[in-house]
Amino acid sequence: EVQLVESGGGLVQPGGSLRLSCSASGFTFSRYSMHWVRQAPGKGLEYVSEISSNGVYTFHADSMKGRFTISRDNSKNKLYLQMSSLRVEDTALYYCVKERETSSWTGFDYWGQGALVTVSS
Amino acid sequence: QSVLTQPPSVSGAPGQRVTISCTGSSSNIGANYDVHWYQQLPGKNPKLLIYGNTNRPSGVPDRFSGSKSGTSASLAISGLQAEDEADYYCHSYDYSLSGSVFGGGTKLTVL
Repeated sequence: EVQLVESGGGLVQPGGSLRLSCSASGFTFSRYSMHWVRQAPGKGLEYVSEISSNGVYTFHADSMKGRFTISRDNSKNKLYLQMSSLRVEDTALYYCVKERETSSWTGFDYWGQGALVTVSS
Repeated sequence: QSVLTQPPSVSGAPGQRVTISCTGSSSNIGANYDVHWYQQLPGKNPKLLIYGNTNRPSGVPDRFSGSKSGTSASLAISGLQAEDEADYYCHSYDYSLSGSVFGGGTKLTVL
């Protein structure tokens, strides 16, 4: 059974930093691209970041560029999101998401339960 | 403003058929990138409903169907049931942004 379990969320002040982790199990982690998607309270889904299966290629949405960094450790089956210069508008539930197939743009077939990040003074 | 445009809400009575549109542009849906659909039940995480424009993952009822034409895609739900009440999101890839994009979401109300 595929499982994605996020951790590392919490309350942080504006301008602060936080690192989210996602522990993956039930599939060959090193073969799949992984993603982060966020959802602000009462709002829709917003795409955050992507990392290729080998970690060479990464993408961050425009509003996160220069502030967020996605990474992975295939030896530990873990995905990370390092967030810095956090803003109030970054407050959201952050989902760890698995690509459906080993190629790209095939849809997201498994979603974690999410890690809540609250940015507030 | 989302890159993919969905109606904020749709509604229908039990047993009826509803459709949810997803309008993009020449840099995403119109560039022949696949469209995927997700269902998010209240308080739950999103679930893949349709992938590759028209395909249903195992376990998704055939009451749900997807289509795509030009710069738009649609999700159709027939034989509406109370448990279909949820938020629905379309998803595709945009080459001008070099990344995935979501629609703003559509809230389905079963009357």
